[in-house]
Amino acid sequence: EVQLVQSGAEVKKPGESLRISCKASGYRFSSYWIGWVRQMPGKGLEWMGIIYPGDSDTKYSPSFQGQVTISADKSTSTAYLRWSSLTASDTAMYFCAVAGSKGVDYWGQGTRVTVSS
Amino acid sequence: DIVMTQSPDSLAVSLGERATINCKSSQSILHSSSNKNLLSWFQQKPGQPPRVLIYWASTRESGVPDRFSGSGSGTDFTLTINNLQAEDVAVYYCHQYYSTPRWTFGQGTKVEIK
Repeated sequence: EVQLVQSGAEVKKPGESLRISCKASGYRFSSYWIGWVRQMPGKGLEWMGIIYPGDSDTKYSPSFQGQVTISADKSTSTAYLRWSSLTASDTAMYFCAVAGSKGVDYWGQGTRVTVSS
Repeated sequence: DIVMTQSPDSLAVSLGERATINCKSSQSILHSSSNKNLLSWFQQKPGQPPRVLIYWASTRESGVPDRFSGSGSGTDFTLTINNLQAEDVAVYYCHQYYSTPRWTFGQGTKVEIK
């Protein structure tokens, strides 16, 4: 059974750094693109970027290029989303998702990030 | 990037009636070699991740009630919910994966009970 288990909710202050994680199991982690999707409060789904763990090829949405860093650790089958300096506008739910024949075949449960002074 | 535009943004339908959601892509998402439209539909309820209902534009995911159906090809697609039930209240998104790994989503359509 494929599972994507995301790290827990975070409350941070503006200017702080943060890395959230998505641990995958039940499939060959290196062989499938895994992406991140943002959902701001009351808003829709926004694709942020995606990584192919096999060779670390990474693509970013123009809206998020330079704002976040996506990485993956094949040894632990874990994908990461990192911010170096958070702002209030980063307050959102973040989902990891695995690409497949259905587009997005599997979703993580989401990680809520709150940035507030 | 391929832009996905849904209509309407919201709709209210009586229980047992039909809901129709449209999705238009800015370019064709018909994959010529497979002859499949690389479009899926998701349902999202509050506090939950999205759930795939339809993929390849018209293939129903296992376990999805048959009152959900998808149609269309090229640039114009439709999700139809027949015999609307209370548990169908949710936001519905279309998603193109023709340009994978660069995904795009429609802006979402909120379905409520009239």
